[in-house]
Amino acid sequence: GESVGLHLPTLSVQEGDNSIINCAYSNSASDYFIWYKQESGKGPQFIIDIRSNMDKRQGQRVTVLLNKTVKHLSLQIAATQPGDSAVYFCAEMRGSYIPTFGRGTSLIVHP
Amino acid sequence: DAGVIQSPRHEVTEMGQEVTLRCKPISGHNSLFWYRQTMMRGLELLIYFNNNVPIDDSGMPEDRFSAKMPNASFSTLKIQPSEPRDSAVYFCASIPGLAGDETQYFGPGTRLLVL
Repeated sequence: GESVGLHLPTLSVQEGDNSIINCAYSNSASDYFIWYKQESGKGPQFIIDIRSNMDKRQGQRVTVLLNKTVKHLSLQIAATQPGDSAVYFCAEMRGSYIPTFGRGTSLIVHP
Repeated sequence: DAGVIQSPRHEVTEMGQEVTLRCKPISGHNSLFWYRQTMMRGLELLIYFNNNVPIDDSGMPEDRFSAKMPNASFSTLKIQPSEPRDSAVYFCASIPGLAGDETQYFGPGTRLLVL
């Protein structure tokens, strides 16, 4: 999950494993959530989103799960590849275009 | 589509100097955001514009920072005078502003080092 401090939480996995990255969001009124991927030296890129009227959404190799009861969001990456190595951010929004970003989780995929 | 364009990609300057960062949003997008990213504080929203008008600048750290958007295709973030603690990566992002599409499209960032 997210943490405050100098070092990002890190998840290390082997190539081919499934990865699960967690995020605890703060505002129970948030109604839209996005996962971003940031590779080294680049800006964040959209991966997948979900609205609060859903609890699961699937994309290509990625699934986002939303648990509004405990204000928890997770990103599941199937068959993780070295190219998935990056920092992953969750963002929450409520009725506006202004996201609140989490601190991020670093995913390291070992070949 | 070239995406969001930022310049320069890297900037090294000395304390006290003026720094100007530039951003060209994606054509047709009507909102533009400036962010600062550091290891200590993560990704922070500095200011955002809607239809070239500044809507929320509460994230601008102090009077040394200013931002303008003279037209729909160009924005600047200026720091004057710069200080070492301003060293960070500055991102610009734009959104289409269409109902149901709040995805932010980020530029590659400007890595600023103030000595």
